[in-house]
Amino acid sequence: EAAVTQSPRNKVTVTGGNVTLSCRQTNSHNYMYWYRQDTGHGLRLIHYSYGAGNLQIGDVPDGYKATRTTQEDFFLLLELASPSQTSLYFCASSDLRGGSDYTFGSGTRLLVI
Amino acid sequence: GDSVTQTEGQVTVSESKSLIINCTYSATSIGYPNLFWYVRYPGEGLQLLLKVITAGQKGSSRGFEATYNKEATSFHLQKASVQESDSAVYYCALSDASSGSWQLIFGSGTQLTVMP
Repeated sequence: EAAVTQSPRNKVTVTGGNVTLSCRQTNSHNYMYWYRQDTGHGLRLIHYSYGAGNLQIGDVPDGYKATRTTQEDFFLLLELASPSQTSLYFCASSDLRGGSDYTFGSGTRLLVI
Repeated sequence: GDSVTQTEGQVTVSESKSLIINCTYSATSIGYPNLFWYVRYPGEGLQLLLKVITAGQKGSSRGFEATYNKEATSFHLQKASVQESDSAVYYCALSDASSGSWQLIFGSGTQLTVMP
């Protein structure tokens, strides 16, 4: 079954710490996305990619890097984590942008203390 | 820019009662955006509940309905009789070709709790 798998499910780190969130999709989709979800806000796009080696900036990119190493794998990097990055992070994949075929992972809850 | 507004952060309804979750949108495109409802059950990722791409049309799935109202710029989600299993977070969303990117824009979500 096609899926998007995120790891870890939960992560706690200290301010200034280095965190990598992982996402793997088995949908053979071209696009992959990283979103953050905070109370009172909709999902906000951090970065996205349309293929291995490609990276596009989203709406809230500050403090985040991302890398798409293969068509399947998309990583989100927080090199100097801050408490403001405490959030629920979702990865998604799609074949087309803005279509109805987005597949989401189950999320990574990050706490920066 | 484009935006989606869900005014209720939390809604509690008794089982078998009716439900409406409000959604209004603002889109800069001269055309019509595509409108979506996504649902996130506990511990799972978001999944598409329904989609409507034509103004005036209604989408339906799992007993839920939403009508694309261009004049009111609304896309409210309704269900005549909710079940406890409907407890989840519901997100209204749109995608708009105005920027050429068709980015998916989400509302802030509505947590639905159905009481037995």
